[in-house]
Amino acid sequence: KNQVEQSPQSLIILEGKNCTLQCNYTVSPFSNLRWYKQDTGRGPVSLTIMTFSENTKSNGRYTATLDADTKQSSLHITASQLSDSASYICVVSGSTDSWGKFQFGAGTQVVVTP
Amino acid sequence: DTAVSQTPKYLVTQMGNDKSIKCEQNLGHDTMYWYKQDSKKFLKIMFSYNNKELIINETVPNRFSPKSPDKAHLNLHINSLELGDSAVYFCASSQAPGLTGYTFGSGTRLTVV
Repeated sequence: KNQVEQSPQSLIILEGKNCTLQCNYTVSPFSNLRWYKQDTGRGPVSLTIMTFSENTKSNGRYTATLDADTKQSSLHITASQLSDSASYICVVSGSTDSWGKFQFGAGTQVVVTP
Repeated sequence: DTAVSQTPKYLVTQMGNDKSIKCEQNLGHDTMYWYKQDSKKFLKIMFSYNNKELIINETVPNRFSPKSPDKAHLNLHINSLELGDSAVYFCASSQAPGLTGYTFGSGTRLTVV
């Protein structure tokens, strides 16, 4: 069973609307959690990195939250734009993970329509 | 442009062939990686190299042989290609492991027929 589960698998939203993506993980002991954006045919691009002590981190219209107690994270997209159409991947690193050995979620595919 | 660049972007080949994917980064990073993204979209680490030295080999079949001639390059050679090798392969780099950002290449879509 994958240690990082993301929901929903996909969603369609109207341009200008907000949306929230969920990430639940079982990785323990926990080190950090990252959100990546992957455009079709491109490599993942880092949006945020959060450690155990951080509850929220923003990057422009993207805001990530982390509840390390419940092992949940969310990514909120504000005032969506067409360019936000992409797959958003939650990536969790355990304390014993290193050298790029992360636990990747399968991603949430977001489609923003005009 | 500063980036991680990998070539080719697409690779279609027959079973049993040998192929290579090249990766170069001009970010001055010390560490480079190869990841495999399967049909279910999960990314998995294959190899990690730090300053040309192999750090992680994540139980990858020995048909896969990475080579790092210098810390800016990490190439992936695959022998005797199998249908199950079909996937998207991503090269990435970082300054050091830990809380630094990872920069990914655009990926190489390998299709074995």
